[in-house]
Amino acid sequence: DAGITQSPRYKITETGRQVTLMCHQTWSHSYMFWYRQDLGHGLRLIYYSAAADITDKGEVSDGYVVSRSKTENFPLTLESATRSQTSVYFCASSGFPRTANTEAFFGQGTRLTVV
Amino acid sequence: SQELEQSPQSLIVQEGKNLTINCTSSKTLYGLYWYKQKYGEGLIFLMMLQKGGEEKSHEKITAKLDEKKQQSSLHITASQPSHAGIYLCGARNQAGTALIFGKGTTLSVSS
Repeated sequence: DAGITQSPRYKITETGRQVTLMCHQTWSHSYMFWYRQDLGHGLRLIYYSAAADITDKGEVSDGYVVSRSKTENFPLTLESATRSQTSVYFCASSGFPRTANTEAFFGQGTRLTVV
Repeated sequence: SQELEQSPQSLIVQEGKNLTINCTSSKTLYGLYWYKQKYGEGLIFLMMLQKGGEEKSHEKITAKLDEKKQQSSLHITASQPSHAGIYLCGARNQAGTALIFGKGTTLSVSS
């Protein structure tokens, strides 16, 4: 099925552990994004990517690493999880900006708890 | 960096009433997006505005982008319980690469 999928949907991990959140899209969209959503802060951009092997930091990138070796995948890694990284994480993808239909499509989110 | 401020933060309206949500940008908007989110779920795209003065409607929801392209409004006519949720405005930076969002407006509709 076409779309954007995140895995896992729920994850509990311990402080200090490395954890990777997966994101896969089937539209061959050039742009992909990672956000975290927290009460009082809204949706904050962590990293974004304009194409394979091109990534840029967003507003809250400290403690996170991304890679994009293939257009369809954009994994987000927490190198050493901290309790402050407990959040709901959303992945999104979009076509090339300033062309028609450049809205971003969002995954269902991953709820991460760091204990 | 660009910031988007939404107002109000939350809103409770009686079913059948009209309401407006505003989104103000600290910089010129190059594409303004409106999304709706049900609590605990992903974001659903509503509308995109690009040109100053542009107005789009979908069912009972109308969005406008002002002429100066620094503010957008989302208006819901005759609200229904199905309109309840979190409404977020999003915008591209000037390069068109990053996509940032406001903090959202939580709408509750009482029947």
